[in-house]
Amino acid sequence: QVQLVQSGAEVKKPGASVKVSCKASGYSFITYYMHWVRQAPGQGLEWMGIIDPRGDTTNYAKNFRGRVTMTRDTSTSTFYMELSSLRFDDTAVYYCASSAEGEGNDAFDIWGQGTMVTVSS
Amino acid sequence: QSVLTQPPSVSGAPGQRVTISCTGSSSNIGAGYDVHWYRQLPGTAPKLLIFGRNNRPSGVPGRFSDSKSGTSASLAITGLQAEDEADYYCQSYDNILFSWVFGGGTKLTVL
Repeated sequence: QVQLVQSGAEVKKPGASVKVSCKASGYSFITYYMHWVRQAPGQGLEWMGIIDPRGDTTNYAKNFRGRVTMTRDTSTSTFYMELSSLRFDDTAVYYCASSAEGEGNDAFDIWGQGTMVTVSS
Repeated sequence: QSVLTQPPSVSGAPGQRVTISCTGSSSNIGAGYDVHWYRQLPGTAPKLLIFGRNNRPSGVPGRFSDSKSGTSASLAITGLQAEDEADYYCQSYDNILFSWVFGGGTKLTVL
């Protein structure tokens, strides 16, 4: 079955970078676009960006431009999200979530289990 | 501050009907973009509940339905059950922000 499995929890210091992985299985890697969504403790969902697995094209949310980089490795069917210059308020659970068309009417149909990133001095 | 506005909480007794509203603007729901709904249980990832125009993924019962009008949408749950207690999020796309956007989430309590 279609599954997204994310890397484990991370603890980082302010100013550092974190790279979270999301391994896709159960479907052709290039079939679905991949989004990244984060959720701060006790808060709602915040969309971070999208990557097209076929051509590596990305679109980042305004709040994250300049700090986030989304990539993919077709050989391992794995997506990556790297966030730099970490701040305390970047502490959150980070999710990968797939969508079919990469366009406005898309729903996020499959989600990874989430990766907790804690920014602490 | 979420682009889509949801009530922070709603509640209902078992067997009752509850609705959760999702209010946007002319650049998202009002522009004709689909609204999707997700359910999130504590400590777990969100799961797609309803997508597009009242479509349900396999396994989601018909007690869940949605509607859309103008710049707003709503999720209706009939025959409320204890297991429906969760956080619910609406989601759409905004053509000014060029971003997918979420509501702030609504906590459903079954009394």
